[in-house]
Amino acid sequence: TQLLEQSPQFLSIQEGENLTVYCNSSSVFSSLQWYRQEPGEGPVLLVTVVTGGEVKKLKRLTFQFGDARKDSSLHITAAQPGDTGLYLCAGARTSGTYKYIFGTGTRLKVLA
Amino acid sequence: DTGVSQDPRHKITKRGQNVTFRCDPISEHNRLYWYRQTLGQGPEFLTYFQNEAQLEKSRLLSDRFSAERPKGSFSTLEIQRTEQGDSAMYLCASSSRQVGEKLFFGSGTQLSVL
Repeated sequence: TQLLEQSPQFLSIQEGENLTVYCNSSSVFSSLQWYRQEPGEGPVLLVTVVTGGEVKKLKRLTFQFGDARKDSSLHITAAQPGDTGLYLCAGARTSGTYKYIFGTGTRLKVLA
Repeated sequence: DTGVSQDPRHKITKRGQNVTFRCDPISEHNRLYWYRQTLGQGPEFLTYFQNEAQLEKSRLLSDRFSAERPKGSFSTLEIQRTEQGDSAMYLCASSSRQVGEKLFFGSGTQLSVL
């Protein structure tokens, strides 16, 4: 059973376009992380959100944690070819546990 | 290099053989994780350790899988009697409270079972 569903599964866009990736669950998470993974490498952490309604910005990337802490989104403004990769959300179900469950992944390709 | 190290990077084996993978975490990290990932999918949790204690193991794991972290430093993941369905990337990660529980991943071991 996959607790974290991501959408879309695949996304191919032109350089300069904006996009949003969603991470949804019926379960509440105490914290949620977003990672980016390139082929042949392990995921690399982008951000951690812990408070319902929290918004964090990392240059052109904006992350939001849902008020109920069941969902999250990643918005990229003016996408660049360097943003290409597999985007993953990962959540911890309860506070004090360090078991992180990963989402199904969104593969993004940004065309020059 | 002080990152997470995994060995080997690639392993090809025949069905029915046993394989063992090694992970060396970042030295000051007390938590170590094993995940399995198939192409285009998110990593699937297998197990994690806090120091030498194995705190949780996925119910998806059959008895053919075992992991150890004998001295709270490096860890090994063994798969006995491999099956073709075991073919995947096996990822190791480590973390600690000092880095906000950020997971630092190794580059993984790609297993192909023929």
